[in-house]
Amino acid sequence: QKEVEQNSGPLSVPEGAIASLNCTYSDRGSQSFFWYRQYSGKSPELIMSIYSNGDKEDGRFTAQLNKASQYVSLLIRDSQPSDSATYLCAVNTGRRALTFGSGTRLQVQP
Amino acid sequence: NAGVTQTPKFQVLKTGQSMTLQCAQDMNHNSMYWYRQDPGMGLRLIYYSASEGTTDKGEVPNGYNVSRLNKREFSLRLESAAPSQTSVYFCASYLTANTEAFFGQGTRLTVV
Repeated sequence: QKEVEQNSGPLSVPEGAIASLNCTYSDRGSQSFFWYRQYSGKSPELIMSIYSNGDKEDGRFTAQLNKASQYVSLLIRDSQPSDSATYLCAVNTGRRALTFGSGTRLQVQP
Repeated sequence: NAGVTQTPKFQVLKTGQSMTLQCAQDMNHNSMYWYRQDPGMGLRLIYYSASEGTTDKGEVPNGYNVSRLNKREFSLRLESAAPSQTSVYFCASYLTANTEAFFGQGTRLTVV
C-alpha cells in the first residue's frame, strides 16, 4: 500500500462546477497535510495546508481533513479553465519530509 | 525574494558522465530536500538535510550523493549518470519538518 494515494484521473469538470479531489494516507501519525498545484513543466506551488480535523476555506478552495478515516480532500468551487493542472496531496508525519501522492490531473472544460 | 533557486534548468548528459545540481535558498530554512519526479510516480525523495551538517537517504538514493555546503546550499551529484536517472529534479526547503515545502523551478535532466 502506498503511503499517500490519489486517483490519477483525469478528472474532468465543466467550467463553474465544483471539483472534488481526494487523497488517503496510511500513517495514522501524520500531522500536517498539504495540497499543491502543479502546472505542466512547472514546480509545485502550495494551495492549502490543514492540520486539524474539519474544513478550512480559502477563497474558492476548501480543504477537508478526517484523521479517523485517514482522508483529506480538496474542493474547488466555481472551477475555471485556469484550474486545469495536476493536484498533489502531501502528508507529513513530522519525522522527515513530505510524502507526496502521485497526483490527480484536473481538466476544467470551458 | 528569490526563494529556492536551482541550476541548471536543463541538462543533457551522456551515460557515465558526472554532474552536480545546485540549489540555494534565501528563506533561512533549516531543512533542504532533493526530489525526483517521473511520469505517474509523483515526487520521490532522494536525499534530505534536516539541518546544516546532516544528510540522510530518502526513498531513492542509489546513484546520488549530496553535500550540505552551508545553511543556504544543498547540492546533488550524479557520479556516473545512467538513463534511469532521466527525470525532473526538484530542490525544496522547509522551515521545519512539519511545515510546507517551497520548491525550486526544477532541473530537467536527460541521460542518453
